[in-house]
Amino acid sequence: AQSVTQPDIHITVSEGASLELRCNYSYGATPYLFWYVQSPGQGLQLLLKYFSGDTLVQGIKGFEAEFKRSQSSFNLRKPSVHWSDAAEYFCAVGGSQGNLIFGKGTKLSVKP
Amino acid sequence: DAEITQSPRHKITETGRQVTLACHQTWNHNNMFWYRQDLGHGLRLIHYSYGVQDTNKGEVSDGYSVSRSNTEDLPLTLESAASSQTSVYFCASSDRQDRSNEQFFGPGTRLTVL
Repeated sequence: AQSVTQPDIHITVSEGASLELRCNYSYGATPYLFWYVQSPGQGLQLLLKYFSGDTLVQGIKGFEAEFKRSQSSFNLRKPSVHWSDAAEYFCAVGGSQGNLIFGKGTKLSVKP
Repeated sequence: DAEITQSPRHKITETGRQVTLACHQTWNHNNMFWYRQDLGHGLRLIHYSYGVQDTNKGEVSDGYSVSRSNTEDLPLTLESAASSQTSVYFCASSDRQDRSNEQFFGPGTRLTVL
């Protein structure tokens, strides 16, 4: 069965520090992978997606993610975190019904 | 600009009442989805539709129903609301032609069942 695991429930980083959010997936074929961000009380905004091709994907707001098939991972990175990046981040994989299968999310807090 | 809207944004209801949450999209997407978001569970699929008159059950469909009479709308009905259905509900849509499954989300409806 398809599944997504985000091992970190909550991460705190200092403003200006680098960030890496982990995501592992389980899927038989080549997956379509996504990272969404949710600010408090808001809907989900797409940060980036991997469909095919280059395994390093650039997204909005300075985020990037790298698809590693051998590790079944799609980790999200940002070189320098801003206070406005505090939010909840969801990794997702495209499901067989055209839906998305989400991880449980990682809440990011940013220290000044 | 195309968008997806949900109404109401907040709703408080009582156990046993019927509740309908509206979802309207102007993307002209064929695919529409309802998810619920609960702490510790992420988002889980309730129902989905690939087009007019098509509806399908998702992972957590018990107690919910949907109908699709046009392309733009997919209302979600709780037939007899239960406290376990207190949650935040998100509607999403996607283009059938987009093989990547990228979805566009509405702002959510926070439902409280007392």
